[in-house]
Amino acid sequence: TQLLEQSPQFLSIQEGENLTVYCNSSSVFSSLQWYRQEPGEGPVLLVTVVTGGEVKKLKRLTFQFGDARKDSSLHITAAQPGDTGLYLCAGAFGGYNKLIFGAGTRLAVHP
Amino acid sequence: NAGVTQTPKFRVLKTGQSMTLLCAQDMNHEYMYWYRQDPGMGLRLIHYSVGEGTTAKGEVPDGYNVSRLKKQNFLLGLESAAPSQTSVYFCASSSRNQPQHFGDGTRLSIL
Repeated sequence: TQLLEQSPQFLSIQEGENLTVYCNSSSVFSSLQWYRQEPGEGPVLLVTVVTGGEVKKLKRLTFQFGDARKDSSLHITAAQPGDTGLYLCAGAFGGYNKLIFGAGTRLAVHP
Repeated sequence: NAGVTQTPKFRVLKTGQSMTLLCAQDMNHEYMYWYRQDPGMGLRLIHYSVGEGTTAKGEVPDGYNVSRLKKQNFLLGLESAAPSQTSVYFCASSSRNQPQHFGDGTRLSIL
């Protein structure tokens, strides 16, 4: 059984602070995706990382895929209230784009 | 741009009742998926389909049945609802090597 452990589960910070969310597994994934989910809506894809060691940047968000493709991190610089939401990592496995999700990190950024 | 549409958005059932959740996508995607999302557990794959007329079990298939008679529709059925099936259900679709697109979910309560 594949597991994807995501930490921390909750994060409450002030505007302007930096934060990092971690996603770890003992399994190797063909790719890893990060989603953001707002209340009452489905997850929306932020980024897909495919190559071990890959780093992608999306404005103030930096995503990294571990060299062994077993772990990933999401770093947010100078967080803003608009970053508030549920962040989910998901690892692709077994073909047909199947995903296994982490439990999510609920982020609250206070003005 | 409708994307992935789920109906109904909310439903309350009594234990033992049956119902069908409908997912429709207008992106001509080959693959479709049903997930459930419970607090602290992320999204878990119930069943998925890789093409019209085909279905396969995911991580938590017990108590659910699915059908994909048309490429654009994927139905999730509960034959005899149980309180443990109270959850938010998400449908998603994708093409080969493309990320999944999610609907906005169906919130189901079983009393």
